[in-house]
Amino acid sequence: QSVLTQPPSVSGAPGQSVTISCTGSSSNIGAGYDVHWYQQLPGVAPKVLIYGNNNRPSTVPDRFTGSKSGTSASLAITGLQAEDEADYYCQSYDRSLSASVFGGGTKLTVL
Amino acid sequence: VRLVQSGTEVKKPGASVKVSCKTSGFIFTDFYMHWVRQAPGQGLEWMGWLNLKSGGTNYAQKFRGRVTMTSDTSINTAYMDLSSLTSDDTAIYYCARKLPHTNTWFDRWGQGTLVTVSS
Repeated sequence: QSVLTQPPSVSGAPGQSVTISCTGSSSNIGAGYDVHWYQQLPGVAPKVLIYGNNNRPSTVPDRFTGSKSGTSASLAITGLQAEDEADYYCQSYDRSLSASVFGGGTKLTVL
Repeated sequence: VRLVQSGTEVKKPGASVKVSCKTSGFIFTDFYMHWVRQAPGQGLEWMGWLNLKSGGTNYAQKFRGRVTMTSDTSINTAYMDLSSLTSDDTAIYYCARKLPHTNTWFDRWGQGTLVTVSS
């Protein structure tokens, strides 16, 4: 059971939009710690997609946006493309555990 | 910036494994090195961190007593040693660097090392 909760899967057709949620608690996201998102394509290491709640590395398209409110965060992907098909993970810090924590991951399928 | 990990390992139950993470392209001691593992078909699991400047560590409760994270600053390489292996430790193990603050992120990852535990 992951400390951060994500839906196991989401799907959308090319060109459509999807949102992936990440729900935490008062000891992690709700305590003010930043949320970061990672994309893991099949067979390779994760790479950072969004850092500091809503910042994109220069190599990441602006179709990807992050947001945070209260004890939750979200990753929105617009204009879905086939190459977006991957696993997505949220990550934050938990002060009760004194540990970095991940969500269980969400598999995005582009129909 | 590169993080290059050692190759695939196959171990018997009860054995230990030591995975290396050789780095280049950045000031080694400016970062913490974290280790994250991923069991087959599962999500990411944080194992702990090593302060590359001081050698201090913080391990996830689940791995305390079984994991040891070390480094050799002369060759900019970090190591993760996991003992008393069981089949549940079969996973890909990643090193990932992170600046020393709770709000920073894993900005570079190694390619992963597959560790298979089987009799």
